[in-house]
Amino acid sequence: AQSVSQHNHHVILSEAASLELGCNYSYGGTVNLFWYVQYPGQHLQLLLKYFSGDPLVKGIKGFEAEFIKSKFSFNLRKPSVQWSDTAEYFCAVSGRGGSQGNLIFGKGTKLSVKP
Amino acid sequence: GAVVSQHPSWVICKSGTSVKIECRSLDFQATTMFWYRQFPKQSLMLMATSNEGSKATYEQGVEKDKFLINHASLTLSTLTVTSAHPEDSSFYICSARRSGALYNEQFFGPGTRLTVL
Repeated sequence: AQSVSQHNHHVILSEAASLELGCNYSYGGTVNLFWYVQYPGQHLQLLLKYFSGDPLVKGIKGFEAEFIKSKFSFNLRKPSVQWSDTAEYFCAVSGRGGSQGNLIFGKGTKLSVKP
Repeated sequence: GAVVSQHPSWVICKSGTSVKIECRSLDFQATTMFWYRQFPKQSLMLMATSNEGSKATYEQGVEKDKFLINHASLTLSTLTVTSAHPEDSSFYICSARRSGALYNEQFFGPGTRLTVL
């Protein structure tokens, strides 16, 4: 079955700490991978995406993610978090186009950054 | 660019009434729009895929007669919750994919909070 697993439900960090949020997926075939962020009271915004090419993807606000095909993983990282990074982070996977184009989301990881 | 709006942002209704939620792509055309439901502290669950000019495709377990979807134009999809009951109270989110997009990048609306009394 197609699924996305995010390992941490809630992560609490102090400002300037490094961040890594885990994401593993189960999906047959070629995948597109995404990380979305939902700030408090706001809608989902795309942080970064992987379609093909360089498996290390850089997104907005200093975030990056690495696609490791052999591990079915797409972990999100940021070297130094800020209080403004407090939000909920969702990993998502889809196939390529057509009926495989639906996004499957993980359950999300809530990040709380202490000032 | 790539802005998706939803209206209303929140609605309270009585049990048994119907509620219509609009999803608009403001600055791009979207052949395909998606409707999700988000429960508290949980992920987004895809309800249905809405294709312009054709019938929506519903996910397993979603009642098509209860959640009516209409995608009449390339910039507008509507979700109507018919005969709403308290268990339909939830956060409904739509997303849109650009027409002709090679990859499945979706742009999300701000969501609609539905409360059924």
